[in-house]
Amino acid sequence: GESVGLHLPTLSVQEGDNSIINCAYSNSASDYFIWYKQESGKGPQFIIDIRSNMDKRQGQRVTVLLNKTVKHLSLQIAATQPGDSAVYFCAETSPYGNKLVFGAGTILRVKS
Amino acid sequence: GAGVSQSPSNKVTEKGKDVELRCDPISGHTALYWYRQSLGQGLEFLIYFQGNSAPDKSGLPSDRFSAERTGGSVSTLTIQRTQQEDSAVYLCASSLVGGQGAMKAFFGQGTRLTVV
Repeated sequence: GESVGLHLPTLSVQEGDNSIINCAYSNSASDYFIWYKQESGKGPQFIIDIRSNMDKRQGQRVTVLLNKTVKHLSLQIAATQPGDSAVYFCAETSPYGNKLVFGAGTILRVKS
Repeated sequence: GAGVSQSPSNKVTEKGKDVELRCDPISGHTALYWYRQSLGQGLEFLIYFQGNSAPDKSGLPSDRFSAERTGGSVSTLTIQRTQQEDSAVYLCASSLVGGQGAMKAFFGQGTRLTVV
């Protein structure tokens, strides 16, 4: 099956700072992207999504940026809090509801 | 129910035994996914059901793995003759599929499978 990275990169930030988590996606036909947060022992939790006809979308304390030219997705978290510590995954899907394919994941550690 | 429900939450089985993992998706969701996650790693796609279409089984790692979705709702993932390398968390997700295509998928808490 499709597998994702063996070693998850880690981003350490100080509480109150902004965090930027990056993701490179693989399929230029992908038209829908989602960021998920996964805390230890839990299933992934939806954070924010974006369609390919947009390049930016904002939520509460989070912003997703999409650069289709270089197939790059980023998640910005403002004023990072200890509760933001988790593994963050990006996911992509191609038109008409095909399977969600996940990126490798990034561990976010927030230092108090 | 309000969310995706998976059972059991934990399963310990002996090598060589068969196991069945159950997923109850969110009511009305036409798409259902199974993923596998080994400790500290990402999500490995296993199988995808969408409405009445033939499932995408391209992620199943071997013929010991199978899944079905009865009546477009509940799904069962079956692993036959379990091996130690099958130990992982098995995650189920469901979503709507709208006019623009895929929509956000919601995950269950997963089933932690340990093969001893």
